[in-house]
Amino acid sequence: AQSVSQHNHHVILSEAASLELGCNYSYGGTVNLFWYVQYPGQHLQLLLKYFSGDPLVKGIKGFEAEFIKSKFSFNLRKPSVQWSDTAEYFCAVITGGTSYGKLTFGQGTILTVHP
Amino acid sequence: DAGITQSPRYKITETGRQVTLMCHQTWSHSYMFWYRQDLGHGLRLIYYSAAADITDKGEVPDGYVVSRSKTENFPLTLESATRSQTSVYFCASSENRGRTYEQYFGPGTRLTVT
Repeated sequence: AQSVSQHNHHVILSEAASLELGCNYSYGGTVNLFWYVQYPGQHLQLLLKYFSGDPLVKGIKGFEAEFIKSKFSFNLRKPSVQWSDTAEYFCAVITGGTSYGKLTFGQGTILTVHP
Repeated sequence: DAGITQSPRYKITETGRQVTLMCHQTWSHSYMFWYRQDLGHGLRLIYYSAAADITDKGEVPDGYVVSRSKTENFPLTLESATRSQTSVYFCASSENRGRTYEQYFGPGTRLTVT
C-alpha cells in the first residue's frame, strides 16, 4: 500500500521567511499529488495539485510545489510567508490504476508564522 | 451553493451509545468519503462510496457502518461508541471524472466519547 511521509511535524517561521515543507511518497507507478491546507477551525482546502505535465505547479496564495519523480517527492514552497499562512498542511497522493480516487494523506505539518 | 455540509458540528456521547454523523452534498458528486483526523495520523479513510448503494472499506473501518441510499447523503454510524473513536470526522465528495480526483471537504464533526 502507498504511504505518504511529511518529515516536519511543526515548523515555526517569522513573516517574510521562505518556506519549504517536505513530502515523500512510496509508490512506483503513476501518481496524482495534492497539497491541502487546514486553517484553524476550518475544513481542508485544496492548495494545489499535480496530475501530469510541468512538474512545477503553482497554487493559490503564492504556493508552489515541485514533483521530483526520481526522489518520490512533492515539496511545498513559498518564498515569503505571512502570518495568515499559519495552518496545518497535508500532502496527499492518489495512485494510478484505482478508479475510486482514494486519497492517502501524510501526517500533516503545522506551520506557525510569527508576525 | 451549499456545497457539502456535516451535522452535528459537535457531539459528546457516552461509551456504548450509537451515534450517527450526517453528510450532505449538493453537487451530485458520485464519490463520497469519510475520514477521521487524529493528531500524528493525518487523515485516515474510514469508508468510501462510488455511488448510491455502493460502499467499501477504507483504512480504518472497524466500529463504523455507512449507508448510501441517496447520492447526496452519506451517513456514518458508530454502532457502539468507544473512547478511541474520539476524533474529528470529515466527509468529502468528488466527481472523479476525467481523473481530476479533487475532493471537497465538509467542515467536520468533532466527536467526543466519554
